[in-house]
Amino acid sequence: DTGVSQDPRHKITKRGQNVTFRCDPISEHNRLYWYRQTLGQGPEFLTYFQNEAQLEKSRLLSDRFSAERPKGSFSTLEIQRTEQGDSAMYLCASSSEQNTEAFFGQGTRLTVV
Amino acid sequence: KQEVTQIPAALSVPEGENLVLNCSFTDSAIYNLQWFRQDPGKGLTSLLLIQSSQREQTSGRLNASLDKSSGRSTLYIAASQPGDSATYLCAVRGFGNEKLTFGTGTRLTIIP
Repeated sequence: DTGVSQDPRHKITKRGQNVTFRCDPISEHNRLYWYRQTLGQGPEFLTYFQNEAQLEKSRLLSDRFSAERPKGSFSTLEIQRTEQGDSAMYLCASSSEQNTEAFFGQGTRLTVV
Repeated sequence: KQEVTQIPAALSVPEGENLVLNCSFTDSAIYNLQWFRQDPGKGLTSLLLIQSSQREQTSGRLNASLDKSSGRSTLYIAASQPGDSATYLCAVRGFGNEKLTFGTGTRLTIIP
């Protein structure tokens, strides 16, 4: 098992463009989380999936953000019409139902210019 | 609303010293608490997970304690090494709540 994998590691985009990030969780984990981290801050919760069901969304997740987890495996996070304020590290984590220890990926660093 | 605080924001100590990092949280009704390490520009590495029923957990040179009633946790690092230099984050999970609430971290520098 290679742990939680995120792709791409870095993304630079122009304001107004759409971007999509991918997260592959640890294979036996049915829970998947997205967090956002800005410089000097701790990660902030965005959304949570149990299998393919999106069970919780933060108010931080505006209408421009959408996340999916088809078939309960990998997940995608899409940001439409990106703004400079969206520049951050987007982190994905996974855990199992039996052991709630969260394991994080290396993150996707988004820069909106 | 749960709030997590980590003080100090930054700490520098000479190599070989033992040190303690602090974490406090406002709502004591937590399910568990997790300590993470983050290197610059990288993701988070899980160090220790303490369930609400536990008082401490140990892994190698690391020992984490939990005092739920006072809303505090400490991470003790023994015999510090330059490779321990990183930002250390604590996070709590509440009951019936899947999200982790993080502190802003303590940036630790071990001076060779």
